[in-house]
Amino acid sequence: DVKVTQSSRYLVKRTGEKVFLECVQDMDHENMFWYRQDPGLGLRLIYFSYDVKMKEKGDIPEGYSVSREKKERFSLILESASTNQTSMYLCASRRTGYGYTFGSGTRLTIV
Amino acid sequence: KQEVTQIPAALSVPEGENLVLNCSFTDSAIYNLQWFRQDPGKGLTSLLLIQSSQREQTSGRLNASLDKSSGRSTLYIAASQPGDSATYLCAVSSSGGSNYKLTFGKGTLLTVNP
Repeated sequence: DVKVTQSSRYLVKRTGEKVFLECVQDMDHENMFWYRQDPGLGLRLIYFSYDVKMKEKGDIPEGYSVSREKKERFSLILESASTNQTSMYLCASRRTGYGYTFGSGTRLTIV
Repeated sequence: KQEVTQIPAALSVPEGENLVLNCSFTDSAIYNLQWFRQDPGKGLTSLLLIQSSQREQTSGRLNASLDKSSGRSTLYIAASQPGDSATYLCAVSSSGGSNYKLTFGKGTLLTVNP
């Protein structure tokens, strides 16, 4: 069965910390994505990568960066965590032209 | 800019009822449309994917239809069960250079009562 795995289900970090969220897929998909989901705002695209070492900004990239050194792994980095980055973070992957597969999500709380 | 609307926002039905969830989108130039299910605090589970050239897809008790010209999709759930209780999300992938991007509706919260 195909899988997108996010390294943590729940994470609590302090304001100002550098935070890494990891995502791994085992489907050899070219495209990978990071979304955040907030009540009333729905899902919003932060960054995506269409190939190794390639990345593009989504709708809300401010305060975030990403890294994709290997095809199967896509990391989201919060450079200096702030309380307004408390959210549910969802990783997804896709073979070009096909549907998305999502991970189980990381609930991140910044205190 | 593509916008996706889901109606109703919430729906409560008794077990065994057949039901329809609605999704509309403003730009008919889509690449595909995908229906997801989300349980509280969890990630998204893909239910059905309809490519732009298709009219419907079926999986078990689920049937999704697509009418590009009118900008609408429906998700039909037959013989609903309490285990179907979840939020159902519709997402559209637009055609052209941005077909990577999914635009989501806000979802329909479904409750199936035993």
